[in-house]
Amino acid sequence: AQKVTQAQTEISVVEKEDVTLDCVYETRDTTYYLFWYKQPPSGELVFLIRRNSFDEQNEISGRYSWNFQKSTSSFNFTITASQVVDSAVYFCALSEGTGANNLFFGTGTRLTVIP
Amino acid sequence: GAGVSQSPRYKVAKRGQDVALRCDPISGHVSLFWYQQALGQGPEFLTYFQNEAQLDKSGLPSDRFFAERPEGSVSTLKIQRTQQEDSAVYLCASSSRLAGYNEQFFGPGTRLTVL
Repeated sequence: AQKVTQAQTEISVVEKEDVTLDCVYETRDTTYYLFWYKQPPSGELVFLIRRNSFDEQNEISGRYSWNFQKSTSSFNFTITASQVVDSAVYFCALSEGTGANNLFFGTGTRLTVIP
Repeated sequence: GAGVSQSPRYKVAKRGQDVALRCDPISGHVSLFWYQQALGQGPEFLTYFQNEAQLDKSGLPSDRFFAERPEGSVSTLKIQRTQQEDSAVYLCASSSRLAGYNEQFFGPGTRLTVL
């Protein structure tokens, strides 16, 4: 069975601090995809990144970076020098390589960046 | 428009009423998904279409929920005899190919409140 756990329900940081959002997943498939989505107060889910299970290379995009470790089944997301505009709910999601490829979401982490 | 659109954005229904929620995916996108997002939770999969074929409806919570995509483009999610537990945001997402390989683009959602 597939499962995504985001243990941090809410995080508050002061602007310019770095923050890491944790994600732990479970799947029996050897082929799967991991995603992060951002949901700002407007409600629309915004795609941030996709990684496949065969590519453990970490990725950096501007102030965002992702650390994928199969050994610990984790796909953590770090925001460097946080800004007020980063305030949102962040969801980690898993798509297995078989079936409908629908997304299984975690419960989300609400990030508040305090100016 | 360039993105996924949904209508109405807000719907208030009395318990027992039928509702219909519309999704216009990105033009040319083959895959279409419906998700239900309860307050404070991550989205949960309802059903999946590939073109006009409904390939997976395992997430529909009861036989009161019905979805269609007759011409492989616009999709409608219908809920019959609405109950209070149906109150949630209903999200539609589309993807250009098999979703495991491509990110899903989400619409703004329809917030359904059942009184």
